[in-house]
Amino acid sequence: DTGVSQNPRHKITKRGQNVTFRCDPISEHNRLYWYRQTLGQGPEFLTYFQNEAQLEKSRLLSDRFSAERPKGSFSTLEIQRTEQGDSAMYLCASSTGTGIDEQYFGPGTRLTVT
Amino acid sequence: AQTVTQSQPEMSVQEAETVTLSCTYDTSESDYYLFWYKQPPSRQMILVIRQEAYKQQNATENRFSVNFQKAAKSFSLKISDSQLGDAAMYFCASQGGSEKLVFGKGTKLTVNP
Repeated sequence: DTGVSQNPRHKITKRGQNVTFRCDPISEHNRLYWYRQTLGQGPEFLTYFQNEAQLEKSRLLSDRFSAERPKGSFSTLEIQRTEQGDSAMYLCASSTGTGIDEQYFGPGTRLTVT
Repeated sequence: AQTVTQSQPEMSVQEAETVTLSCTYDTSESDYYLFWYKQPPSRQMILVIRQEAYKQQNATENRFSVNFQKAAKSFSLKISDSQLGDAAMYFCASQGGSEKLVFGKGTKLTVNP
C-alpha cells in the first residue's frame, strides 16, 4: 500500500492555458474523489467515480473542468482555459467503496494561475 | 444540503494539556457519518476519528475522543495529553446521502512547548 499519489505536486500556468492533473489511487480502491481546497477553506467536493463511472459532479465543476477515470484505475482532472480563480490545491482521495468507506487523501496538486 | 461549521479559526494548547475543538453541523439525512481530519503543514490529510450517527457511544482513538450531541448537532474533538506533533489544521466533516465529504473551514491548532 503506497498510498494515493498525485502528479505534479505543483503547477504554475498562465491564464488561458490548459492543465491536467493525475491521481493514482490505492490499488483496488473502487472509489476515487476530487476535491478543491482554497486558502483558508476546507476542501470542497468536485466529483467522484465508482470504478470508471463518474457518479456525481458538483455544481462547482464548470464546463471548463473535466475528469476521467479510464479502466477504473488512475484518474485525470483537466482544466481548460484556466482562470486566476482556479488557483487552489486539488486533492484526490480514494476508498474501497465498502463499509464505512474511509477516504484516503493524496498530497494534492497546487495550481497557481498567473 | 449539509453544512459544517467550525467557529474557532485558531486554537492553542500547552504540551501535555487537553484541548477541545468545536464543530456543529446540519443535515436532513437520518443516516450519516461525522469525521475529524488532520492536515499537518505541507502534508496530506489523514483521518483522526469517525462517528456513526446511529451510535450513541462517543468514539475514542487513543488520545482523541469526540463528544457527539446528536440533538444539538454538535461534534467536538478532544485531544488529551497534547503533543507537538498534534499541531495541524483540523477539519470536521460530514457524510450522508452521498459519498462526498462536506468539510468545515478548519481550526488551526498550535501546540506550545
